[in-house]
Amino acid sequence: EIVMTQSPDTLSASAGERVTLSCRASQSLSRNLAWYQQRPGQGPRLLIYGASTRATGIPDRVSGSGSGTEFTLTISSLQSEDFAVYYCQQYENWPLTFGGGTKVDIK
Amino acid sequence: QVQLVESGGGLVKPGGSLRLSCAASTFTFSDSYMSWIRQAPGKGLEWVSYISTTGTTKNYADSVEGRFTISRDNAKNSLYLQMSNLRAEDTAMYYCARGQYWFGPWGQGTLVTVSS
Repeated sequence: EIVMTQSPDTLSASAGERVTLSCRASQSLSRNLAWYQQRPGQGPRLLIYGASTRATGIPDRVSGSGSGTEFTLTISSLQSEDFAVYYCQQYENWPLTFGGGTKVDIK
Repeated sequence: QVQLVESGGGLVKPGGSLRLSCAASTFTFSDSYMSWIRQAPGKGLEWVSYISTTGTTKNYADSVEGRFTISRDNAKNSLYLQMSNLRAEDTAMYYCARGQYWFGPWGQGTLVTVSS
């Protein structure tokens, strides 16, 4: 099973700031990685797949990069709706596995 | 807007059974692989199962293999998860989602609590 590790666990930031979230895989994924946002009380929302392809309706302030075992999600200018928990997920091998999440909260 | 609505969760005793449903609307359900993903209270996400468009191919996490059965009814735009021999560690919010490898959209979830 591929283990996904996200860092940091929590990131405190202010609106307008640029933030970068990290995701590391225990083995190479090529670019078979997705990112999700989960707001309190809601189901997750797909942000990125293929490591860098934005899902429908995702603003261009959200971007993904990386390949192999190291990936990042960047939000260029935090908006109020971006304060949430973010998960990465690999689909290189079964079982599909998720990282433990990074919570982005208000500084 | 694509919508998925789960139902059927509740409180069940260890060893009991439960059937979850997921109703889909505003997309071509019969053309979509569908999956179940769960989230234990305060925890991260765990993939549970997927089913192909026609229902002929299914895959399960080891933790539920032999106890859970995924199915679908394309005429009713509905996805199901039959859960049996439930354990305390199956307590979670259960989400249905479109997709086989990456998932979107997701429903709002239905809560399953396994407790005596």
